Amino acid sequence: GIQVEQSPPDLILQEGANSTLRCNFSDSVNNLQWFHQNPWGQLINLFYIPSGTKQNGRLSATTVATERYSLLYISSSQTTDSGVYFCAVYMFSGGYNKLIFGAGTRLAVHP
Amino acid sequence: DAGITQSPRHKVTETGTPVTLRCHQTENHRYMYWYRQDPGHGLRLIHYSYGVKDTDKGEVSDGYSVSRSKTEDFLLTLESATSSQTSVYFCAISEPTGTGGFFGQGTRLTVV
Repeated sequence: GIQVEQSPPDLILQEGANSTLRCNFSDSVNNLQWFHQNPWGQLINLFYIPSGTKQNGRLSATTVATERYSLLYISSSQTTDSGVYFCAVYMFSGGYNKLIFGAGTRLAVHP
Repeated sequence: DAGITQSPRHKVTETGTPVTLRCHQTENHRYMYWYRQDPGHGLRLIHYSYGVKDTDKGEVSDGYSVSRSKTEDFLLTLESATSSQTSVYFCAISEPTGTGGFFGQGTRLTVV
């Protein structure tokens, strides 16, 4: 099946620093999403980004579908950015879309 | 926030007992998914549904069954709970194009 790999697995930042999270996927996908799981366990949809670049405040994401990777940029990080960031891809299988997750990047932002 | 709720939010059960988790949506999304989240594994797909009465297995489906008799409800059943099924379970919804991708708040299940 499709492999979704995220790097780095863990990241520690000082408040105000910038970071880049990467998601590689092994096969063609119909779509890709980035999620943030906050320390309370809630999963929040950040970006729905099959290709190109999107920005939302201090966060932006770029997907290069032809090269099978996506990047999530966090600028001027804040303690509230802490949590786990997941990349998930929509894979067309057997006539239907399945949503498959990477293992996540755990981010800790210290004041 | 997307209208998706899971029940119960927490449950402790004994090994060998049947357990049913419920996912209810008010968004009329066609696709519904059940995942489990365990340390070191991220979210793994258990089963998914692409319509009423239409379901398929995910990557960790052994020991689980699902049913979807209405668009809004997707039930996950552990026929005979085992300690290895102690986990946090998440339900998600989406549209066939991949839009959506909204999650419920999770159900923490402990099998003792």
